Amino acid sequence: AQSVAQPEDQVNVAEGNPLTVKCTYSVSGNPYLFWYVQYPNRGLQFLLKYITGDNLVKGSYGFEAEFNKSQTSFHLKKPSALVSDSALYFCAVRDRGSQGNLIFGKGTKLSVKP
Amino acid sequence: GAVVSQHPSRVICKSGTSVKIECRSLDFQATTMFWYRQFPKQSLMLMATSNEGSKATYEQGVEKDKFLINHASLTLSTLTVTSAHPEDSSFYICSFRTSGIPYEQYFGPGTRLTVT
Repeated sequence: AQSVAQPEDQVNVAEGNPLTVKCTYSVSGNPYLFWYVQYPNRGLQFLLKYITGDNLVKGSYGFEAEFNKSQTSFHLKKPSALVSDSALYFCAVRDRGSQGNLIFGKGTKLSVKP
Repeated sequence: GAVVSQHPSRVICKSGTSVKIECRSLDFQATTMFWYRQFPKQSLMLMATSNEGSKATYEQGVEKDKFLINHASLTLSTLTVTSAHPEDSSFYICSFRTSGIPYEQYFGPGTRLTVT
């Protein structure tokens, strides 16, 4: 069965410092991988996706994520965090052979302090 | 990116009444869409999947007679919560999925339902 794990409920970072939000997945075959961000009382906004090609994917708002097949991970990163990055981040996966919905992780709350 | 609207953004209703939530894709057509429910500080829980013109497929534990889904066209879907109870209070999010690989999903801004 497909699954996504986000091991951290919350990540705290000081503004200007690099941030990492972790995600590992379990999918039979090669997956499509996604990161979404959710601000309070808002729907999900797409950040970036991995389909194929370069393992380092660049997305919106300066975020990037690295696909690591051997570790089945897709960690979200940003070199310099902003207070406005504080939000809930969801990792999601879909098996390439599936036309079903995305499988979401439980979410990680990112808090960036000034 | 693609835009999905959801209306209303917030609704308060009395127990026993019905509430309709409308979801529209504004700049693309999609044959498949999803309705999710999200409890505070939790992930999205898939409620149902629907294809335009077909009956929705509900996830286990989701009452199809309580949560009526109408996927009327390639750009419009509605979720009606019938005979609402306080435990139905939640954040409801719709999502349209594009046809063709990699089947990207675009999400509405969500509807906060409060049943008193």
